[in-house]
Amino acid sequence: DTAVSQTPKYLVTQMGNDKSIKCEQNLGHDTMYWYKQDSKKFLKIMFSYNNKELIINETVPNRFSPKSPDKAHLNLHINSLELGDSAVYFCASSQDLSVSYEQYFGPGTRLTVT
Amino acid sequence: AQRVTQPEKLLSVFKGAPVELKCNYSYSGSPELFWYVQYSRQRLQLLLRHISRESIKGFTADLNKGETSFHLKKPFAQEEDSAMYYCALTGEWVRFGAGTRLTVKP
Repeated sequence: DTAVSQTPKYLVTQMGNDKSIKCEQNLGHDTMYWYKQDSKKFLKIMFSYNNKELIINETVPNRFSPKSPDKAHLNLHINSLELGDSAVYFCASSQDLSVSYEQYFGPGTRLTVT
Repeated sequence: AQRVTQPEKLLSVFKGAPVELKCNYSYSGSPELFWYVQYSRQRLQLLLRHISRESIKGFTADLNKGETSFHLKKPFAQEEDSAMYYCALTGEWVRFGAGTRLTVKP
């Protein structure tokens, strides 16, 4: 069974569009994350939610809005897509906010903005 | 400030040679350090963490607080070790290094 899943796996869209990426974890974890991996493979945290509450919101444009309907889901909605948003987006989860817990990553969503 | 530095973007070794992937960090508190690995077409996954002091797939990493380093080592590299390796520091938030792409040549 897949622990952390993301849909879609690939997303190609035009500038100015609005799109969403979905993430689900079946591990019973309390904390979920979104990361952006840019073209240079640099991995940067964007958001963290703990029990549906926003904990971390790094310097991310407000065109990015995470939504957590329940603690098993953390979706990422992006408005007015820009070329620079092209990247691979990873969802992850951990048992809770404790720094000792391993993070489990989804397979990634490759977003291409044309 | 919380920072993780992996000075080598690319590292290439021959099969059977020792390999060391460097990681330096800066953090004023007590850090938790991890190594994550991403094999081709696979998801990012935990390789090892410093608190467990274990060896996974022949890799070890020792936290050196004096040098603020957490280098990943393996005495005899294998071709299947070719992957992208990320050092991660969990302090106030989690921070990843820029990653090192390891290529093990036959």
